[in-house]
Amino acid sequence: DTGVSQNPRHKITKRGQNVTFRCDPISEHNRLYWYRQTLGQGPEFLTYFQNEAQLEKSRLLSDRFSAERPKGSFSTLEIQRTEQGDSAMYLCASSGGRRGNGGYTFGSGTRLTVV
Amino acid sequence: DQQVKQNSPSLSVQEGRISILNCDYTNSMFDYFLWYKKYPAEGPTFLISISSIKDKNEDGRFTVFLNKSAKHLSLHIVPSQPGDSAVYFCAASGGLTGANNLFFGTGTRLTVIP
Repeated sequence: DTGVSQNPRHKITKRGQNVTFRCDPISEHNRLYWYRQTLGQGPEFLTYFQNEAQLEKSRLLSDRFSAERPKGSFSTLEIQRTEQGDSAMYLCASSGGRRGNGGYTFGSGTRLTVV
Repeated sequence: DQQVKQNSPSLSVQEGRISILNCDYTNSMFDYFLWYKKYPAEGPTFLISISSIKDKNEDGRFTVFLNKSAKHLSLHIVPSQPGDSAVYFCAASGGLTGANNLFFGTGTRLTVIP
């Protein structure tokens, strides 16, 4: 297993366009998380899946954002009608057990630039 | 509001010496704390964690100390090596926010000088 994979690594889009990112977690992990990181800040929680169920969403996740995890495997994060404020690094992470086991495994992220 | 704070944006240490990175939190309900290391163009990598029932956890060159009364934790790296140069994030979870999401600090950039 090569860890958490995110595609694309970079995305440049015009304001108003829709974008979709993909995350492939570690195969045996049932929990998947999306975080967003802007310059000079730490990652901020967006949403969390256990298997295919989306169990938690941050208020940062406006109605332009939607995340799915069909069949409890890979996940997609879609942003509709992108705005310049959406420019950030979008990080996906997965974990397989109780949090005491040592935290998440993060992917390398998708850097979104909205021009 | 920033519930986890890292007030030092950067730290420089000579190779072989001790690096001490600090983190403060405001939410007394947090009960699990982690440190992550991040290299450029990579995602954060888990380093070490500590539960609130402990005040110290050690893993090789890395030790995390937790002072619950002060709502403060620190990461000690001894001895520091040039490969430790990275951004270090403190994170916390627990309480009403649940165990499933982490609150991160803004990071401290550590530079270990050879």
